[in-house]
Amino acid sequence: GAVVSQHPSRVICKSGTSVKIECRSLDFQATTMFWYRQFPKQSLMLMATSNEGSKATYEQGVEKDKFLINHASLTLSTLTVTSAHPEDSSFYICSASVAGVHEQYFGPGTRLTVT
Amino acid sequence: EDQVTQSPEALRLQEGESSSLNCSYTVSGLRGLFWYRQDPGKGPEFLFTLYSAGEEKEKERLKATLTKKESFLHITAPKPEDSATYLCAVHLSSNTGKLIFGQGTTLQVKP
Repeated sequence: GAVVSQHPSRVICKSGTSVKIECRSLDFQATTMFWYRQFPKQSLMLMATSNEGSKATYEQGVEKDKFLINHASLTLSTLTVTSAHPEDSSFYICSASVAGVHEQYFGPGTRLTVT
Repeated sequence: EDQVTQSPEALRLQEGESSSLNCSYTVSGLRGLFWYRQDPGKGPEFLFTLYSAGEEKEKERLKATLTKKESFLHITAPKPEDSATYLCAVHLSSNTGKLIFGQGTTLQVKP
């Protein structure tokens, strides 16, 4: 149980284009989903928190117009990196949790490379 | 300021050589402390949740303990497949589920 998937696992895009990453909870309904970014040999940095049907809450320093988050259903959240630049290249990981349960279950991550 | 610090940053053990990883925290209010395992290029895998001082949980060769200031992840007779980065995270009582992560301890177990 508590399986979270991400798609795609790897993506390469050209500078200036946009890319969408999907995060799905496969066997449970996620009231809250989180998006993290991880640089090589560093820990996870929370980007934003999203609750189903409402606007995401972004962490300080994260551009909400650049990283668009949609949490349209209890099993799906998407992160769109708009007008991507090489410095956006990173490992993006989502997690999901259920109301009243403290554990977050993580997806396998998406490696984004912007050329 | 809420802070989570893990030590050591890296740990090399011989197979069978038991040791402990430390996670110390300074937070305004603890709702829970989590341990995750992360393999290279993968997302974190949930291991344990601890809620109150004195609590202990075990899973195979791993045992997690919690005090009011820190948590330990004890690894007994590790095997090479235990090699990974172990992440500690705290869930604060004042926020909406956000986790604050430590920097992780990268464990390498040599055969």
